[in-house]
Amino acid sequence: QKEVEQDPGPLSVPEGAIVSLNCTYSNSAFQYFMWYRQYSRKGPELLMYTYSSGNKEDGRFTAQVDKSSKYISLFIRDSQPSDSATYLCAVGDSGAGSYQLTFGKGTKLSVIP
Amino acid sequence: KAGVTQTPRYLIKTRGQQVTLSCSPISGHRSVSWYQQTPGQGLQFLFEYFSETQRNKGNFPGRFSGRQFSNSRSEMNVSTLELGDSALYLCASSDQGETQYFGPGTRLLVL
Repeated sequence: QKEVEQDPGPLSVPEGAIVSLNCTYSNSAFQYFMWYRQYSRKGPELLMYTYSSGNKEDGRFTAQVDKSSKYISLFIRDSQPSDSATYLCAVGDSGAGSYQLTFGKGTKLSVIP
Repeated sequence: KAGVTQTPRYLIKTRGQQVTLSCSPISGHRSVSWYQQTPGQGLQFLFEYFSETQRNKGNFPGRFSGRQFSNSRSEMNVSTLELGDSALYLCASSDQGETQYFGPGTRLLVL
């Protein structure tokens, strides 16, 4: 079983829709959780970062973590064509003072005007 | 602050050659991590450097190596290139290691 599972999509939604992106992870040692957005031929851009279970909101984006279920989600409200990108979830641990992110393979999102 | 910069942006090499990629982190950041991104495997961790010391290493062969300089700039080297090394190589910068900010990447094509 891979450490982080993410539905690769592609996911196509109309402009204005609510988008739900999800990942599951297998190792309960992971301590922090991130979502990155990657446009074509660009590096990943950090969207959200959270350390605990619960919700974290930033504008149209809400990150949700459920550590008991090992499940993380990203919700995008009022989706825009500019949100069309690949979304990567990442989980991290800082064991032994070293930091390493483990990524899902990404979900490709298209928002249709 | 300026973001993470990586040079070169594109590179074409042939099998058996070696290559050196460079990364300049965000000013003040001391941690630099390297990742390989391919369509099949996604983003995979190569190694992390902090204050010139390698703190962690992923499951890549010894042909992949790196170093970090006193100004936090980092280089990674791949020797004896194979076709499967064609990928986007990403560098990520962090203050202590958790919140990582990525550069634009170096796209390497091995022929």
